[in-house]
Amino acid sequence: DTAVSQTPKYLVTQMGNDKSIKCEQNLGHDTMYWYKQDSKKFLKIMFSYNNKELIINETVPNRFSPKSPDKAHLNLHINSLELGDSAVYFCASSQWGWVLKTQYFGPGTRLLVL
Amino acid sequence: ELKVEQNPLFLSMQEGKNYTIYCNYSTTSDRLYWYRQDPGKSLESLFVLLSNGAVKQEGRLMASLDTKARLSTLHITAAVHDLSATYFCAVALGGGNYQLIWGAGTKLIIKP
Repeated sequence: DTAVSQTPKYLVTQMGNDKSIKCEQNLGHDTMYWYKQDSKKFLKIMFSYNNKELIINETVPNRFSPKSPDKAHLNLHINSLELGDSAVYFCASSQWGWVLKTQYFGPGTRLLVL
Repeated sequence: ELKVEQNPLFLSMQEGKNYTIYCNYSTTSDRLYWYRQDPGKSLESLFVLLSNGAVKQEGRLMASLDTKARLSTLHITAAVHDLSATYFCAVALGGGNYQLIWGAGTKLIIKP
């Protein structure tokens, strides 16, 4: 059984387009995250939701909009895609607690903007 | 602002050798994680270290934490090719801030 899944795995699109990435977890976790990994493998947190509530909202362009319809799903919509948005986007999930718990990552979505 | 520095960033070594990856962080934290990433793959949790002096071992990998020195090490014993990957350390901000601050990763290549 896949614990954290993402769709699509690959996304090739033109500049200016709008695209969405979907994430689902079946671990029963309350907290979900979006990360961006650039070409140098550097990981940057973008957003985090706990039980549908936004708890981390890092400085990212407002073209990026997360949405969590329920605690098992977290989607990322990107408007007006730019070349610099090309990266691997990882979804992760963890249990909720008064301290941070281990995060489990999805397979990643490789986005290439042409 | 919490900063996390790993070194080396790149390491090429022969099978059978021992080596250590270092992870320094700049402010107090209550937990530190080590993750592994194979090329083109996702990130896999290896260890979570919760307290000063914590040591965890899995196979040829051993991680330790010195909270006073703000230093964690990942030691590889008698390296084998299958351990080739990028290793990340990540430090929890704590204080109700549910966020990890990540090191830049150490790309480890183990040659037969």
